[in-house]
Amino acid sequence: DAGVTQSPTHLIKTRGQQVTLRCSPISGHKSVSWYQQVLGQGPQFIFQYYEKEERGRGNFPDRFSARQFPNYSSELNVNALLLGDSALYLCASSPDSYNSPLHFGNGTRLTVT
Amino acid sequence: AQSVTQLDSHVSVSEGTPVLLRCNYSSSYSPSLFWYVQHPNKGLQLLLKYTSAATLVKGINGFEAEFKKSETSFHLTKPSAHMSDAAEYFCVVSALLSGGYNKLIFGAGTRLAVHP
Repeated sequence: DAGVTQSPTHLIKTRGQQVTLRCSPISGHKSVSWYQQVLGQGPQFIFQYYEKEERGRGNFPDRFSARQFPNYSSELNVNALLLGDSALYLCASSPDSYNSPLHFGNGTRLTVT
Repeated sequence: AQSVTQLDSHVSVSEGTPVLLRCNYSSSYSPSLFWYVQHPNKGLQLLLKYTSAATLVKGINGFEAEFKKSETSFHLTKPSAHMSDAAEYFCVVSALLSGGYNKLIFGAGTRLAVHP
């Protein structure tokens, strides 16, 4: 079975631009979460979606938004990019949202210049 | 509030020697704890999970961790390091969101170096 897939793998954007990151969960997984990992730090929770609804949001500004589609894939959008948004963005999926271990993709490396 | 503290940012061992990566947790309720590993330019892979069953948890690749409530610790060990174990290791605690959903809270990570 395919794991969690994310696209693109790398992205370079300019300050003020907008970016969309995509994630396809493992087949059968209904929950998708997004994490931001700044270089040298542990990942930080951004969003969790389950059955197409937002179930949790971390301490991130409103410039960050996400959605989940009927096929359970997900997009993370970041508007008005700042230099500090440069990070590895990780998507994770799980069968449900109640303490099931998360399966992570390899991430999208976003560089903001 | 839930949190984890990884006590060492870097650990260096020789191949074939034991590995000990230390983690302390803080939790207002019985925690779910995890260890994840991240190899360079890769995503995170689950090594093992503790959810209040056995206090000694065995994971993949020969790793295991022991939950000690009295010490609020969840240290990761391996009897004999292999070169392929060189990676970043994260201690993680699950935290409840409203509605019964949960998120993961990661420690800052421990970089394990293995020398020949």
